Amino acid sequence: GENVEQHPSTLSVQEGDSAVIKCTYSDSASNYFPWYKQELGKRPQLIIDIRSNVGEKKDQRIAVTLNKTAKHFSLHITETQPEDSAVYFCAASSREDSNYQLIWGAGTKLIIKP
Amino acid sequence: EPEVTQTPSHQVTQMGQEVILRCVPISNHLYFYWYRQILGQKVEFLVSFYNNEISEKSEIFDDQFSVERPDGSNFTLKIRSTKLEDSAMYFCASSDNRELKFFGPGTRLTVL
Repeated sequence: GENVEQHPSTLSVQEGDSAVIKCTYSDSASNYFPWYKQELGKRPQLIIDIRSNVGEKKDQRIAVTLNKTAKHFSLHITETQPEDSAVYFCAASSREDSNYQLIWGAGTKLIIKP
Repeated sequence: EPEVTQTPSHQVTQMGQEVILRCVPISNHLYFYWYRQILGQKVEFLVSFYNNEISEKSEIFDDQFSVERPDGSNFTLKIRSTKLEDSAMYFCASSDNRELKFFGPGTRLTVL
């Protein structure tokens, strides 16, 4: 089955700098890759997603890149702000006909230092 | 913006007791899910529900678990005989397509 690895587990960056979180997946059939942000004690919220027919997607300060050959995808946050502090989860889904049994990474705790 | 709601926000129960966690998905959504997150760990898929039946379930979702959509609006998760290791945050989610965007606020289950 699918396995998703996420790195780093904790990332501390200076406010205004960029943050990059990386994930790898094992199932080459995976075709949908969402990213979720979870603030302490709150629900996960979808912030961006990408499908396997696209290499990059951007939404304001957030971008996601996908390398199908290497089976990895990354989240990029530019001009980080204090409100970006949260745990970020990547996920992957490998079955087109499924209702998206997403396999999640272990999460990255992003700390934005003022 | 419509939201998924869950009750209760926190449930404390004794080991061996039955619990029912309740969710109200967004009204026009067709796909419903339960996930759980043990404190400090990753989110784990439990079950998905579509067209009034389970469409997928994980290994975690054993015979102790069941789901139901009793009245067309609520979506419930029942744990028949709780174990200590069932202590976790349980998230309900719903979607109108296969993109999972809307999670509920979660129910924190504590099994003593």
